Amino acid sequence: GDSVTQMEGPVTLSEEAFLTINCTYTATGYPSLFWYVQYPGEGLQLLLKATKADDKGSNKGFEATYRKETTSFHLEKGSVQVSDSAVYFCARMGGGYNKLIFGAGTRLAVHP
Amino acid sequence: EAGVAQSPRYKIIEKRQSVAFWCNPISGHATLYWYQQILGQGPKLLIQFQNNGVVDDSQLPKDRFSAERLKGVDSTLKIQPAKLEDSAVYLCASSPPLGRGAPASGANVLTFGAGSRLTVL
Repeated sequence: GDSVTQMEGPVTLSEEAFLTINCTYTATGYPSLFWYVQYPGEGLQLLLKATKADDKGSNKGFEATYRKETTSFHLEKGSVQVSDSAVYFCARMGGGYNKLIFGAGTRLAVHP
Repeated sequence: EAGVAQSPRYKIIEKRQSVAFWCNPISGHATLYWYQQILGQGPKLLIQFQNNGVVDDSQLPKDRFSAERLKGVDSTLKIQPAKLEDSAVYLCASSPPLGRGAPASGANVLTFGAGSRLTVL
C-alpha cells in the first residue's frame, strides 16, 4: 500500500551545519508531498509542500524537491539553528479522499 | 483565523475506564480528521469526516473507539474501555473542502490542533 519512509533519527548537528533528512514514498500516480514539523510540546505545523513533479517547496530556509524518478522528497537546510530542533515528518496524500499518510518522523537536535 | 481547538490537553486514566476528546475545527473546514500518534511513531489516521459523514474509518478499532461529528462542526472521539496501548497523543485536524481554496492539484492542506495526550495506567 501507500507508504512513506524517512531516515531514522536522532540527527544531531552543530549550529550552522548542513541538514538533510531523507524521505521516499511509494505511490500510484503523483501524490502531493509535505513536510510537517513538531516542536516540543506543540502540534504539527506545515513546513512546506510540493504538489507535482519537480516542484520545490521552501519555507524558513528549508527546501525539498519532488523527485518522481527517485520517488523522493528530501528535506534540506543550508545552516541549521538551535531553534530548528524538533521532529520532522514527511507525508504524502493518498489512499483516499485528501488523506495524509505520515512517515515515522526524524528527531533533529541542534547544539550551539 | 482561529486554529483547531482540542480539549483536554492531558488526561490520565486507568485501564478499562472511558475517556472522551473534543475537537473544534477551523470555521468553514468541511473535512475533519482524528489521528493517533504513539510515542516515537508518525500519526496514524483513525477516522475522517466530510461534513457529518464518515469518509474513512478503516483503521478505527471499532470495538472500543467511536467518533461522531454532529451538525458537521465539532467532533468527539471516545474510547471505552481504554487499554494500555491506547496511550498516545490524539490529534485533530481539519481542511477546507476540495475545490474551495484548493490548489490545482486538488490536495488541501491539513491544519492540526495541539493534541490531547492520553496516558492509560
